[in-house]
Amino acid sequence: NAGVTQTPKFRILKIGQSMTLQCTQDMNHNYMYWYRQDPGMGLKLIYYSVGAGITDKGEVPNGYNVSRSTTEDFPLRLELAAPSQTSVYFCASSNARREHNEQFFGPGTRLTVL
Amino acid sequence: GDSVTQMEGPVTLSEEAFLTINCTYTATGYPSLFWYVQYPGEGLQLLLKATKADDKGSNKGFEATYRKETTSFHLEKGSVQVSDSAVYFCALSDLGGYQKVTFGTGTKLQVIP
Repeated sequence: NAGVTQTPKFRILKIGQSMTLQCTQDMNHNYMYWYRQDPGMGLKLIYYSVGAGITDKGEVPNGYNVSRSTTEDFPLRLELAAPSQTSVYFCASSNARREHNEQFFGPGTRLTVL
Repeated sequence: GDSVTQMEGPVTLSEEAFLTINCTYTATGYPSLFWYVQYPGEGLQLLLKATKADDKGSNKGFEATYRKETTSFHLEKGSVQVSDSAVYFCALSDLGGYQKVTFGTGTKLQVIP
């Protein structure tokens, strides 16, 4: 099991560019999440998905979009990059059939917008 | 809404010292409580958890007890090692909806030889 994988590990964007952060999990988890981690601020939930074809906004969704066409993949799209989106992005997944929600995290993508 | 408050870091300790990282929470129901650890350059990974009042979670020499009366879940270790240097996050999860997890802001621990 690879667990949760994310690509790329690092990326530098110019203001206004777009990109997709990829996330894949091989644990057959229903639930998937995208967080951003800013220094000293903990993790903020951007979007989440409870299954293929179902997505919903978290705390900080503005400037991002997601899709969930398969159980395994949950890409995050930035359409018009802004300096405020400089952050470390983590994808996570969990198994809704477990009573208590342990989340499994990917290694993260460090994004800089200049 | 739910919230988690943990002590600010960084915390610097000498090897073999005793560690306590305080965590308190606010929740409307009966959440599960977690400690996650993040090593440099990596994602978060679960360290331990407790699912009901008075439960003690433990792993790798770390312990935390779910105290409902004080709404606390303090992390302790009797003798820290250099390899314990990391950022520690306290978190809670409710069981409704999309199983939202609320994280604290993290406490950086540095252990010096």
